[in-house]
Amino acid sequence: GAGVSQSPRYKVTKRGQDVTLRCDPISSHATLYWYQQALGQGPEFLTYFNYEAQPDKSGLPSDRFSAERPEGSISTLTIQRTEQRDSAMYRCASSLGGSSYEQYFGPGTRLTVT
Amino acid sequence: AQSVTQLGSHVSVSEGALVLLRCNYSSSVPPYLFWYVQYPNQGLQLLLKYTSAATLVKGINGFEAEFKKSETSFHLTKPSAHMSDAAEYFCAVSDPTGRRALTFGSGTRLQVQP
Repeated sequence: GAGVSQSPRYKVTKRGQDVTLRCDPISSHATLYWYQQALGQGPEFLTYFNYEAQPDKSGLPSDRFSAERPEGSISTLTIQRTEQRDSAMYRCASSLGGSSYEQYFGPGTRLTVT
Repeated sequence: AQSVTQLGSHVSVSEGALVLLRCNYSSSVPPYLFWYVQYPNQGLQLLLKYTSAATLVKGINGFEAEFKKSETSFHLTKPSAHMSDAAEYFCAVSDPTGRRALTFGSGTRLQVQP
């Protein structure tokens, strides 16, 4: 697509429910990143993919968080048994990869856990 | 490990005045540095980047930044502020090897007074 898209843009869920967030990167981009941004803070790295491979999950805050990118394009981030502390903006970015360092961000998904 | 410090969470300037947003970084390897801007309800947009070429980097919308290794700084400037510059600005550092994930500062909100 022309840019990175994310859905839903807003999600309100009750504590204990599972949520899945979706990211559709720029179509030619090999690398995809997920970030979590708390209110008043900058985004923090969660995980990334090179095509369908996921070399680094070190930023995922707990085993309730998982991500996949099965066909090397669209990615999902799933949070199981949500907690109030999971409330944040979740940002996806994609990059061409190779020698390119620019990351292009989607509009984000604002998650609120009540 | 890398880190970014943005001095001043809020900066207010008059329209037509100089804009100066401060960013200091810490990196164990030569860094790649970025400034992103976030307008309300939009994703992060890349303003400019430093990737070890010229130390004075020009970006979009009249912004520029200078990489100063001795001061570990990458401050963002614009000679004359416009009302449309009001937004949140994030400085970020990337490891030039491996995952290239961005480490962000906590952001500076720029207000432009008429």
